[in-house]
Amino acid sequence: EAGVTQSPTHLIKTRGQQATLRCSPISGHTSVYWYQQALGLGLQFLLWYDEGEERNRGNFPPRFSGRQFPNYSSELNVNALELEDSALYLCASSLGRGYTFGSGTRLTVV
Amino acid sequence: DAKTTQPTSMDCAEGRAANLPCNHSTISGNEYVYWYRQIHSQGPQYIIHGLKNNETNEMASLIITEDRKSSTLILPHATLRDTAVYYCIVRALGQNFVFGPGTRLSVLP
Repeated sequence: EAGVTQSPTHLIKTRGQQATLRCSPISGHTSVYWYQQALGLGLQFLLWYDEGEERNRGNFPPRFSGRQFPNYSSELNVNALELEDSALYLCASSLGRGYTFGSGTRLTVV
Repeated sequence: DAKTTQPTSMDCAEGRAANLPCNHSTISGNEYVYWYRQIHSQGPQYIIHGLKNNETNEMASLIITEDRKSSTLILPHATLRDTAVYYCIVRALGQNFVFGPGTRLSVLP
């Protein structure tokens, strides 16, 4: 069984640009969660999608947004990139109990 | 905010048991205790979870006190590959996970 897959693995963007990160959950998992982990810091909850709807949102500005598609895959968009957005972005999927995480996308803003 | 308190760091000798404590004094009756670990720059890995009974799987054992206000994760025979940050999280079904800073476990040769 394939795990949670994230793409791209690495992404380099210039300040002010937009970044799009993608996540494919484990087959059958309907919930997708996004977390941000800045270097040396803990995981900060960003967004939770379930059945195509946004269920919860962390304390992040509106330029962080996303969506979930009918096949339950998800996209995280970060607009107007700032240097502080440089981080590892982790996606997890769940059927309701534990999460399974992907390997993440490392976003670097220069 | 995370509802758990863990030591910042711990050391353990290779081959010995690693006992990682976690305090969750405000845990509610419907909240489970979960443990995850994160090896450097990888996605967190699920270890074990429980509600009130002790649990064991191929990776670890989870001991939850009778009042459920604290728990201990036990890695019975720690190896160098167990060096990681270990997160203790309490969470009810339908809630998202809130990660605290965790415990940085160093397994020493």
